[in-house]
Amino acid sequence: ETGVTQSPTHLIKTRGQQVTLRCSSQSGHNTVSWYQQALGQGPQFIFQYYREEENGRGNFPPRFSGLQFPNYSSELNVNALELDDSALYLCASSLLNLAGGGNEQFFGPGTRLTVL
Amino acid sequence: EDQVTQSPEALRLQEGESSSLNCSYTVSGLRGLFWYRQDPGKGPEFLFTLYSAGEEKEKERLKATLTKKESFLHITAPKPEDSATYLCAVQAPRDNQGGKLIFGQGTELSVKP
Repeated sequence: ETGVTQSPTHLIKTRGQQVTLRCSSQSGHNTVSWYQQALGQGPQFIFQYYREEENGRGNFPPRFSGLQFPNYSSELNVNALELDDSALYLCASSLLNLAGGGNEQFFGPGTRLTVL
Repeated sequence: EDQVTQSPEALRLQEGESSSLNCSYTVSGLRGLFWYRQDPGKGPEFLFTLYSAGEEKEKERLKATLTKKESFLHITAPKPEDSATYLCAVQAPRDNQGGKLIFGQGTELSVKP
């Protein structure tokens, strides 16, 4: 069984640039969620994708956008980077529970983004 | 507002010194409470899921319990390799928030030999 993978591992950008982060979900999973984790804080929910559509969104501005592909991999795009966007970006995959119950999310290693 | 608070923020133990980490939560309709372990610079590693009050789960030196307002992660006879940040998260009802997890800020555990 292949776990969740993310690329790149580290990334350095300057303010105003755009960035794309990538995630491959765990085998058998159909849902991908993205989280932002600032240093010393818990992860904050950005959005979730199911069946290639956004299935929920946290309190992040529209310059944070995403995609999910037919093979359930996903991208996170951030436009007009700001200094506060510096963080660890985490991707989590899961199998959506259509009955409405809880479901475990399994995280990738993360991408460390630094904005200068 | 759905919220998760973890205490203490940091905990230093001697090897073999048992202790507990606390996770207090307020959420409208708990769908699940999750414990994760996170090593520095890495992604969270799944440990346990608890769904209802009274439920308990165990894995090696770790035991997680759940009440209607809080969860505890008990660590029995910890070893230095248990040093990490432990994160607690609750899963909100699936309205327009998808299956988002709401995390606490974590407890940084350090176990000295």
